[in-house]
Amino acid sequence: QSALSQPASVSGSPGQSITISCTGTSSDVGGYNYVSWYQQHPGKAPKLMISDVSSRPSGVSNRFSGSKSGNTASLTVSGLQAEDEADYYCNSYTSSSTPRFGGGTKLTVL
Amino acid sequence: QVQLVESGGGLVKPGGSLRLSCAASGFTFSDYYMTWIRQAPGKGLEWVSYISSSGSTIYYADSVKGRFTISRDNAKNSLSLQMNSLRAEDTAMYYCARDGQIITGTIEYWGQGTLVTVSS
Repeated sequence: QSALSQPASVSGSPGQSITISCTGTSSDVGGYNYVSWYQQHPGKAPKLMISDVSSRPSGVSNRFSGSKSGNTASLTVSGLQAEDEADYYCNSYTSSSTPRFGGGTKLTVL
Repeated sequence: QVQLVESGGGLVKPGGSLRLSCAASGFTFSDYYMTWIRQAPGKGLEWVSYISSSGSTIYYADSVKGRFTISRDNAKNSLSLQMNSLRAEDTAMYYCARDGQIITGTIEYWGQGTLVTVSS
């Protein structure tokens, strides 16, 4: 099973907004609303940022938002801050009853 | 608060075995699917295995099928991963993680990870 498709890197300046895409198929992203997004800083465990396509767990900044259209999910980070620089991974449940991660996107704050 | 604490990682030779453990606390362990997720150095996240709350449903990634065995002890709030016939490509940080009461791939709680290095 191949990973969901994410851009390898995105970048933006402080205060700007960026969007990270996560492309799958109708057997995963397009077929289920169990899409989640994780932030990982170097040397740290991943942190859940978005669940169920667009829900923010308690404590996560409202600068992070999620959406989905067809087979592509997106994570938007608005009002970029230096602390947002990290790796971001999407994840989706699949028709094989297994979850699948995206390949990861490195966000650089210029 | 929810805590997941892994142990058992270390350096092992190719073909060797290792048993990872995860001690869970702060929630009703027997209600949740539990998973092992790994991350090779400089690489992305990979689902390794998950086990249902009762232990009746188990999944393994193709890359570890037949070599790894996941198990849980609900009385002791513990999760284990027996890793046999280890290969260099199994070198990774292994995270114990809690999914939901059904498997969705949504991981709200992660352990700090335990490092497994397979090298001669």
